Amino acid sequence: QVQLQESGPGLVRPSQTLSLNCSFSGDSVSDSKYYWSWIRQPAGKGLESIGLVYPTGSITYNPSLRSRVTISLDTSNNQLSLRLNSVTAADTAVYYCVRGSPGDYGDYSFYFDYWGQGTPVTVSS
Amino acid sequence: YELTQTPSVSVSPGQTATITCSGDKLTDKYVCWYQQRPGQSPVLVIFQDRKRPSGIPERLSGSNSGNTATLTITATQAMDEATYYCQAWDGSSVFFGGGTKLTVL
Repeated sequence: QVQLQESGPGLVRPSQTLSLNCSFSGDSVSDSKYYWSWIRQPAGKGLESIGLVYPTGSITYNPSLRSRVTISLDTSNNQLSLRLNSVTAADTAVYYCVRGSPGDYGDYSFYFDYWGQGTPVTVSS
Repeated sequence: YELTQTPSVSVSPGQTATITCSGDKLTDKYVCWYQQRPGQSPVLVIFQDRKRPSGIPERLSGSNSGNTATLTITATQAMDEATYYCQAWDGSSVFFGGGTKLTVL
């Protein structure tokens, strides 16, 4: 069974940097065929992709966050990390660490099959 | 790229619920559906337009044609009450629909 566990501070001051880690475990999680992502959800609202790590190691970011975000993957230590700079109240949300698996048609058909429990982050002074 | 969902759908127990997701030429993309119950993480219920992960009942099915993807839940049960999100990848970014809250009355 695959498990993903997010960790990090629940409270971040405005203009500071939000840093989260995700530890993952389970059968073959370090296999290079998987996708890894951070997805967030403000209270009472929908899901928003922050960024995606492809099996090749390349990373793409949500254009609206690209200037402030860095995602890194360390498969040797089974960790996914997120850094979001210059946070504001609009960054208050539950942050999910998510694994994606390949479908039958390459990148066009991957799907998010394992989600962490999510970690709530509040941006407030 | 934008995915549009109706905010809410209501259905009586035992009836069929239809949840739609609209996007430009959506049929050219593969759509996934996620179920999220209050206070829980999303769960994958449909991938690659119409495939079900193991453990997802056959009552849930998906289709994708033209500009609309559809999640159909037959013989709806109280346990199906949740918010459902569609998701697609446009070649560079992941997009989610705004979610449809399914109420089983």
